[in-house]
This record gives sequence, structure tokens and C-alpha cells, in this order.
Amino acid sequence: QSALTQPRSVSGSPGQSVTISCTGTSSDVGGYNYVSWYQQHPGKAPKLMIYDVSKRPSGVPDRFSGSKSGNTASLTISGLQAEDEADYYCCSYAGSSVVFGGGTKLTVL
Amino acid sequence: QVQLVESGGGVVQPGGSLRLSCAASGFTFSSYGMHWVRQAPGKGLEWVAFIRYDGSNKYYADSVKGRFTISRDNSKNTLYLQMNSLRAEDTAVYYCAKVRGYSLDYWGQGTLVTVSS
Repeated sequence: QSALTQPRSVSGSPGQSVTISCTGTSSDVGGYNYVSWYQQHPGKAPKLMIYDVSKRPSGVPDRFSGSKSGNTASLTISGLQAEDEADYYCCSYAGSSVVFGGGTKLTVL
Repeated sequence: QVQLVESGGGVVQPGGSLRLSCAASGFTFSSYGMHWVRQAPGKGLEWVAFIRYDGSNKYYADSVKGRFTISRDNSKNTLYLQMNSLRAEDTAVYYCAKVRGYSLDYWGQGTLVTVSS
């Protein structure tokens, strides 16, 4: 049950695109197509942004997209907006458990 | 609309016990698995436990196995987390979350547990 590896921080200017990586193992990210991504603003509960690697829940802008290759999943946010500034966490099913990434702080410059 | 409201947090001494509750509404509670996830102050999310929709299977993080027990009462639309032998490192905001397949689609606002003497 080791945490997935995410960069501590990423940044981008409004309108640009950023990608956040999430690296696991063949026992979690690489073994299942069950990676999800969560956005968390300070003092707020996490919000589901992407599930099953690349699916978007209703209401999530299509600027948010997900993908996976091998043991690494990625979240891409295009057309950055000020309100996208938040912490982002990846999460993977791992058989009889769930594992989160350490989180990435996105700064919109 | 889906609502999850946690309660039961507070300050407890090391070695003590606490029971958290999560009251669910706005969906058919008895049809969905539920998770507990925690977040230590200034830290990331940590999965704690999962229970299937009917309570038939329960899974725990290694860090809480043998000390925490997840349960549910579908007649009361309520999820529980019994926490025993609490340690300082259990200090965190505890969230309950509803399952959507293999993701967590709705989260409560969390309840703070502080383990301190």
C-alpha cells in the first residue's frame, strides 16, 4: 500500500495546458483501468474529476482529460483558468485496497 | 441531491476510542459501497477502509488494520468507523465517500479527529 508518486507542484499560465503524472506499479495503476483524479480546494472536500482513467463525471469541464500508459496515469488540464488552482490527487484500485497519490499543487500564474 | 454528513470527531487521548458516523441521504444508501478516507493536517489523502453495499466485505489500510472497524446500518442510512487504540498519527480530517464503480464520487465535508494528551 505505498502511495502513488505525483510531482509536488506544477504551474501554468491562464490558457495554457498542464499535465500531472501519477506513477504506480503493476499492482495498482498498471494492473487496472481504475484510476481516478480528485480536485481539492483549500478547506474543501475532494471532488471527483476523472474516473476509470479517462471518463468525466457530468458537470466536469472537457478541459480535464485523463490517460494511462503502463504504470503511469496522467491528468491534463487545458485552457487553464484561475479556478483550477488547487491540489490534485490520483487514486487507483489495487485489488483489496485503494491507494492515493501524494498530491500535486497546481498554481495558475 | 447526495448528502454525506460526518459527525463524532473530537479530541481524544492516545490509546482512546472514538466512533465516527456518516449520515447519507439523496441516494439509495443500501446499494452502494462506502469508503472512509483521512487527511492529516497539511498532508495528502489516505484511504482508510471500504465496506461493500451489504456489509459482506470490509477492507482496511495496513495502518489501521486491527484497530479500526468499518460498519453500516442500511436501515438508518448510516456508515460508521469505530476507532480504537488511537495514536497521534491518526490525527486527521476523516471523510466518508460514496462509491461509483471504482472511484469515489461524493464526499462529505469531513470531521476532525485530534489525538493528543
